[in-house]
Amino acid sequence: EDKVVQSPLSLVVHEGDTVTLNCSYEVTNFRSLLWYKQEKKAPTFLFMLTSSGIEKKSGRLSSILDKKELSSILNITATQTGDSAIYLCAVEAEGKLIFGQGTELSVKP
Amino acid sequence: DSGVTQTPKHLITATGQRVTLRCSPRSGDLSVYWYQQSLDQGLQFLIQYYNGEERAKGNILERFSAQQFPDLHSELNLSSLELGDSALYFCASSEGQGAYEQYFGPGTRLTVT
Repeated sequence: EDKVVQSPLSLVVHEGDTVTLNCSYEVTNFRSLLWYKQEKKAPTFLFMLTSSGIEKKSGRLSSILDKKELSSILNITATQTGDSAIYLCAVEAEGKLIFGQGTELSVKP
Repeated sequence: DSGVTQTPKHLITATGQRVTLRCSPRSGDLSVYWYQQSLDQGLQFLIQYYNGEERAKGNILERFSAQQFPDLHSELNLSSLELGDSALYFCASSEGQGAYEQYFGPGTRLTVT
């Protein structure tokens, strides 16, 4: 059965800290891995990683795909209270997006 | 604002009833995806349509059905509703057939009493 597992499930840090969120997957016919940020409303797209683009960076956020280890990390440097959210990892396999359970990040001032 | 619209925002109905959720994708997007998000099951993919055709199916119950119309808007029909169907239902859209960058609508909160 296809599955995506994220760790940790929750994390509390202070402003300015650097955090690393993990995502591992076991799916058939992997095509891409996506990261989303979900605050109180709908998920918003952060990154998509594929075999041809295994590292992405946007401002303080960056992500790497390790196809050998079947995993990805999402790094957030110099965290701010506005980074508090649930971060979702999803893997596209055979036309479907399979989501992990999410990591709830709380950044304290 | 992602450009994806969903109506209604909230829906309260009784067990055994039938409801229809509506989604309009972003301008230019041909794919529409439906998801269910509940507290205990996280975000679950239900079904995808691309340019009017069903393209992929996830954990969608037989009591649920969907379609995409020629103007590309989509409807998700939920029938014989049960208490466990209470959840947030998201629609997302993307340009192509693959997952690509999906843009999520604000969701419809369904409460079954």
